[in-house]
Amino acid sequence: EAGVAQSPRYKIIEKRQSVAFWCNPISGHATLYWYQQILGQGPKLLIQFQNNGVVDDSQLPKDRFSAERLKGVDSTLKIQPAKLEDSAVYLCASSISTDTQYFGPGTRLTVL
Amino acid sequence: SQQGEEDPQALSIQEGENATMNCSYKTSINNLQWYRQNSGRGLVHLILIRSNEREKHSGRLRVTLDTSKKSSSLLITASRAADTASYFCATDFPGNQFYFGTGTSLTVIP
Repeated sequence: EAGVAQSPRYKIIEKRQSVAFWCNPISGHATLYWYQQILGQGPKLLIQFQNNGVVDDSQLPKDRFSAERLKGVDSTLKIQPAKLEDSAVYLCASSISTDTQYFGPGTRLTVL
Repeated sequence: SQQGEEDPQALSIQEGENATMNCSYKTSINNLQWYRQNSGRGLVHLILIRSNEREKHSGRLRVTLDTSKKSSSLLITASRAADTASYFCATDFPGNQFYFGTGTSLTVIP
């Protein structure tokens, strides 16, 4: 079974630029999560989708972050404009229900 | 914050010894999960314990849950160098809100 795919793996941008991350979950997984993990900290949930509907986005900085999950499969997370404090690893995960989450390799974002 | 907190923040043991790490949280949960993260394999699910369970085993892992104290512990027996990683608890709150803890960094010395 193929795992969760994410791209790109690394991204370096200047502050105030825009960036987008892509995630392809495991086939058949209805639930998709985006997390932000700052170095030395645990992952922080940004947004959770059930199929293509949003279950929880209470910790998503909506003034600059947006996410969508078209057709209940792939998802993109966008930051516009980026700030220095957005430097982190962005993790995508998927699950069949709300139990075991399967994580992708992450995208390491550096904002200069 | 509803984020769980792991204790200790860092732990160093000899290979073959047991490692115990703890997680505390603040409000009622649906379930609690433990994950491991290392540079080689990313974030991997280890074990899930539901709020009506008190203890669960999986191979060399033993997890306990005390809902009255709002705490959980993860015991790794007969540790190996390959167990070197960061360990996180993740709590699933009513409404399916997930919060990961701050993590315990485990180093197993060969």
